[in-house]
Amino acid sequence: GESVGLHLPTLSVQEGDNSIINCAYSNSASDYFIWYKQESGKGPQFIIDIRSNMDKRQGQRVTVLLNKTVKHLSLQIAATQPGDSAVYFCAEDYGGSNYKLTFGKGTLLTVNP
Amino acid sequence: DSGVTQTPKHLITATGQRVTLRCSPRSGDLSVYWYQQSLDQGLQFLIQYYNGEERAKGNILERFSAQQFPDLHSELNLSSLELGDSALYFCASSVDGSPPLHFGNGTRLTVT
Repeated sequence: GESVGLHLPTLSVQEGDNSIINCAYSNSASDYFIWYKQESGKGPQFIIDIRSNMDKRQGQRVTVLLNKTVKHLSLQIAATQPGDSAVYFCAEDYGGSNYKLTFGKGTLLTVNP
Repeated sequence: DSGVTQTPKHLITATGQRVTLRCSPRSGDLSVYWYQQSLDQGLQFLIQYYNGEERAKGNILERFSAQQFPDLHSELNLSSLELGDSALYFCASSVDGSPPLHFGNGTRLTVT
């Protein structure tokens, strides 16, 4: 979901559980999507990306799913660890030669040991 | 470590002043992007440079300007600062303007 200001959507999970973070994107013309992780005091860190000609892509412990019909993106983290605690952002881009990315508001993931 | 270096890490200044934020992209990256992150607006794209030339503009105020130098480092100049300009300013770079973008750790600007 989306939120404004300090009231980020939050997700709290137990260590070892799987996490699913959802994102609704806005532009049906977007053809590139990316997930970033931002830890406190750091810049956004690239996790995984996907193009609109795919509906699933897997990385190390992470999977991104894309549903273009309902303009929905999700990030699945397997066996969540305390080090996964961070704010997660999805971003979209609608192509052309300039990838300037439009970011969502973020979701705060807290992993409880 | 993304390889993108931003200085300074923190900056405190008064309203009406002018500051310069600096960014060194990852080695080999030709494109530099500037983003502003505030609590109420999230990450907002400001401007993009590619190999020294402006490539795209976002929500950048006229009081703000940027440039990318021949050695590919970039500077973001913020003038006539207002309290509302207090935010984190991130620089990102990519190889050739294609994703993914790799972000630095930002400059935290506080305007008092």
